Amino acid sequence: GAGVSQSPSNKVTEKGKDVELRCDPISGHTALYWYRQSLGQGLEFLIYFQGNSAPDKSGLPSDRFSAERTGGSVSTLTIQRTQQEDSAVYLCASSRGQVYGYTFGSGTRLTVV
Amino acid sequence: AQSVSQHNHHVILSEAASLELGCNYSYGGTVNLFWYVQYPGQHLQLLLKYFSGDPLVKGIKGFEAEFIKSKFSFNLRKPSVQWSDTAEYFCAVESGGYNKLIFGAGTRLAVHP
Repeated sequence: GAGVSQSPSNKVTEKGKDVELRCDPISGHTALYWYRQSLGQGLEFLIYFQGNSAPDKSGLPSDRFSAERTGGSVSTLTIQRTQQEDSAVYLCASSRGQVYGYTFGSGTRLTVV
Repeated sequence: AQSVSQHNHHVILSEAASLELGCNYSYGGTVNLFWYVQYPGQHLQLLLKYFSGDPLVKGIKGFEAEFIKSKFSFNLRKPSVQWSDTAEYFCAVESGGYNKLIFGAGTRLAVHP
């Protein structure tokens, strides 16, 4: 596609429920990144994919967070047993190489009530 | 650990004023440096980037940034701001081999007509 697509754009969930966030990167972009942006905070790195493998998942806050990427394309970020502190905007970005920088999606705004 | 500091969290200017936003990073090796901008209601967009060569980098919309290696800085400048420059600006660093961007906390710029 023309840009990085994320869905849903907004998600309200009850504390304790699981949520799944989806990212559809730009076709041909081998690198994919997930970041989290909390109110008043910068962007917090979560995980990086190169193809289908995740060489760096050091930013995942806890074992309730997991992500996968299939076919070198779509990625899903899953948060199990959501907590109120998980409320944030979850951003996905893709890149075809360091020289080109990242292209970001519009994000998924997650609210845990 | 790598970190990025943006000293100004909130800047208010009048149109035609000059702008300089500070950015410092804490990594002594080879770095790639970026400025991203997020206009109200829009996704993050790349403003400019530095990889090597001329330390004065020109980006879109009249912005420029200067890499000063001895000061670990990459400050963003614009000689004359416009109301349409109202946005949040993020400095980011990618250090050699880490394959991920580390972002600063962002600077909110408000330009009054």
